[in-house]
Amino acid sequence: GQQLNQSPQSMFIQEGEDVSMNCTSSSIFNTWLWYKQEPGEGPVLLIALYKAGELTSNGRLTAQFGITRKDSFLNISASIPSDVGIYFCAGQLVTSYGKLTFGQGTILTVHP
Amino acid sequence: EAGVTQFPSHSVIEKGQTVTLRCDPISGHDNLYWYRRVMGKEIKFLLHFVKESKQDESGMPNNRFLAERTGGTYSTLKVQPAELEDSGVYFCASSQDGEDLYEQYFGPGTRLTVT
Repeated sequence: GQQLNQSPQSMFIQEGEDVSMNCTSSSIFNTWLWYKQEPGEGPVLLIALYKAGELTSNGRLTAQFGITRKDSFLNISASIPSDVGIYFCAGQLVTSYGKLTFGQGTILTVHP
Repeated sequence: EAGVTQFPSHSVIEKGQTVTLRCDPISGHDNLYWYRRVMGKEIKFLLHFVKESKQDESGMPNNRFLAERTGGTYSTLKVQPAELEDSGVYFCASSQDGEDLYEQYFGPGTRLTVT
């Protein structure tokens, strides 16, 4: 069954605004990752997090590994039109090896 | 460095037919994964190869799906016979070993439509 709840499902924002999305679960994860998918392409890895409490940035993107190890957050600052796409969280459960569990995705639309 | 490639990009087949999807991982990546996204739902794990061996095939839906990785290089995923519910986008991903195991790099996917 579904183990990762990602929200919001979609966001419509103006260029320049900041964006926040998150994933939560009742299960504990050892690793959290954030991916972005654009039309016709596969998911592209944005940020990988390995320790509880870890805060990592990649340009205008910042992601955090929740202290409880059951959640993660992604923030995008000063959005631009090319940020449009579907953002997925993914995690590695403590009980799994290799396998990633994905959230449902957040569809981001940025209006110029 | 070439990324993960998948072939074909699209496939439209009739129910009951057979389809074979191919994935070429990033050179040197021992770990190869298959995932599937059915319309509007999350990306779901199908299976994981380490070199030519199946490490985890717990996500394979049923015995109509057969994955192989000959010689530990490219992989194929065969669906036989295809059913309507098999429609979706099939992604392949690869990764290195060790601490980079979970930094999985995805191919563009194969969109399968079963009519």
